[in-house]
Amino acid sequence: LAKTTQPISMDSYEGQEVNITCSHNNIATNDYITWYQQFPSQGPRFIIQGYKTKVTNEVASLFIPADRKSSTLSLPRVSLSDTAVYYCLVGPNTGGFKTIFGAGTRLFVKA
Amino acid sequence: GAVVSQHPSRVICKSGTSVKIECRSLDFQATTMFWYRQFPKQSLMLMATSNEGSKATYEQGVEKDKFLINHASLTLSTLTVTSAHPEDSSFYICSARFLVEYTDTQYFGPGTRLTVL
Repeated sequence: LAKTTQPISMDSYEGQEVNITCSHNNIATNDYITWYQQFPSQGPRFIIQGYKTKVTNEVASLFIPADRKSSTLSLPRVSLSDTAVYYCLVGPNTGGFKTIFGAGTRLFVKA
Repeated sequence: GAVVSQHPSRVICKSGTSVKIECRSLDFQATTMFWYRQFPKQSLMLMATSNEGSKATYEQGVEKDKFLINHASLTLSTLTVTSAHPEDSSFYICSARFLVEYTDTQYFGPGTRLTVL
């Protein structure tokens, strides 16, 4: 299982773009990178998943360099409601593969 | 909308009693479900992998006789905390992997808050 390293916490202001970087130096060839968001007393919510280069959806972008040893979750124009814990996970996206969570990044968005 | 549901969302019980938590996949069949536990200010800790029609696979340090998992159908897995004690008080979350738009993605339930008095 590829180990991930993220900053423990980040602060931002409303309207700013927030970039959270995750290191995964021993990522395997068949591993995907997935990001989740979790609010207090709720289950994690899927944000975005990617394998290489760039992936974008309606809520975020995911940037993955060619060596895939890191990835960056980009949240455009954050609001107070984006205050949450963000988890980066790495592993093959096959049915039985178990997902191990790291410590995550606590993002605090201020007014 | 939600693809994984849990019931109950919150339960309070007396020490020594058993509590059953249900996890359902909605509109999808899930041959594999996962159970996690989360203590305050901590990350999710994987407890076990629930396989439909077979025994669950428990992570190291998780007592299989205390945390009974049953995956009787492709849409339902249950976690029973037997003889619960205050140290079992935690937030329990289940998840399942689904193929959505050609991507195999893991979705999580809303969680169940267990408080043992």
